[in-house]
Amino acid sequence: KAGVTQTPRYLIKTRGQQVTLSCSPISGHRSVSWYQQTPGQGLQFLFEYFSETQRNKGNFPGRFSGRQFSNSRSEMNVSTLELGDSALYLCASSPEGVGTDTQYFGPGTRLTVL
Amino acid sequence: AQSVTQLDSQVPVFEEAPVELRCNYSSSVSVYLFWYVQYPNQGLQLLLKYLSGSTLVESINGFEAEFNKSQTSFHLRKPSVHISDTAEYFCAAVPPGGYQKVTFGTGTKLQVIP
Repeated sequence: KAGVTQTPRYLIKTRGQQVTLSCSPISGHRSVSWYQQTPGQGLQFLFEYFSETQRNKGNFPGRFSGRQFSNSRSEMNVSTLELGDSALYLCASSPEGVGTDTQYFGPGTRLTVL
Repeated sequence: AQSVTQLDSQVPVFEEAPVELRCNYSSSVSVYLFWYVQYPNQGLQLLLKYLSGSTLVESINGFEAEFNKSQTSFHLRKPSVHISDTAEYFCAAVPPGGYQKVTFGTGTKLQVIP
């Protein structure tokens, strides 16, 4: 099976812009989770989607949003970008969700905000 | 709510020497525990996990971790490291039950010195 893919791999934006990141999970996986990874904060959970519904959400402002399509592909959107949003954004898929399931991570999208 | 603490941000070790990466968790309920590894410019990969049963869990590449409930620890060990083990290692905890959030530690960079 193909692994989790994320596009684009690298992105440069300026403050105030918005950005959309895409994640294609492993075939058959219904859960997609998103994480923000920064040197200072480590890995922080953004949200999880399962069968097109947001099932859980981390402590991020409303500028961070996401959605999941019927084919389980997921997008994450960040509006009004701030310098502090520069990070590696990782998505992970699993058959049924966070818990006993193994999460399979994509390579990430590195977002730089200037 | 749970928290995960990785006490060492960096661990240098000579090739073929043993290594221990420390992880402590804090939770008011029982948790599932995971170790993930992240190689440069890649996403995370599951190394091993503890769900229940035997407190000693092993991975296919020689790592092992022991769940210690009394010390709330889940330290990762390897008796003899290789250059290829150079990576960042993340400990994570998830409460059992549905729709839970995963909490990651801040990571430990293992540098294997030839």
